[in-house]
Amino acid sequence: DTAVSQTPKYLVTQMGNDKSIKCEQNLGHDTMYWYKQDSKKFLKIMFSYNNKELIINETVPNRFSPKSPDKAHLNLHINSLELGDSAVYFCASSQLERGLDTQYFGPGTRLTVL
Amino acid sequence: AQSVTQPDIHITVSEGASLELRCNYSYGATPYLFWYVQSPGQGLQLLLKYFSGDTLVQGIKGFEAEFKRSQSSFNLRKPSVHWSDAAEYFCAVGGNNDMRFGAGTRLTVKP
Repeated sequence: DTAVSQTPKYLVTQMGNDKSIKCEQNLGHDTMYWYKQDSKKFLKIMFSYNNKELIINETVPNRFSPKSPDKAHLNLHINSLELGDSAVYFCASSQLERGLDTQYFGPGTRLTVL
Repeated sequence: AQSVTQPDIHITVSEGASLELRCNYSYGATPYLFWYVQSPGQGLQLLLKYFSGDTLVQGIKGFEAEFKRSQSSFNLRKPSVHWSDAAEYFCAVGGNNDMRFGAGTRLTVKP
């Protein structure tokens, strides 16, 4: 009954490879997000997406791209992986409640680029 | 621009002692404030949130937080800490497409 799930939990890969991380939510939420948490635990939003609008944090390299096959899924594709991409990536989802969303997070995917 | 500051990087308390984790924010309008907890190797779990109304907010696991507009603070408290509370705690402000997180406070609980 996991609300927001991500796969894989761990991902180890070589520099230059292309990889994807999957995210699914069963909460019926309209909006999904991707966050990056660096080695100092700092969380930074990368994307937010609902079925009408994709908002990209301008600091995110265009090697990163979200893909949403349907409202319950938001996958993260990363091309030409670099060492600095090593981090924990969190997916989240939300639904507007009294004019503001409350975000619920997945368990995270730890990406290690060698 | 909105921002969040958690002044304490690491706090150690004894089991059974009281706890207060500090959070200060900068926000142009009425802030929407959150506290999340991250256990080792886990995702973020929402502890509580403040949108409006009563400035003392009750959350899960016995936590509460008080919004003080005059001090731009939203400190998290618990009267008696349990060993299972050891984790990283994040304060956040904003929402929708612009959620900003603090750097986190790591809580260690001594037996």
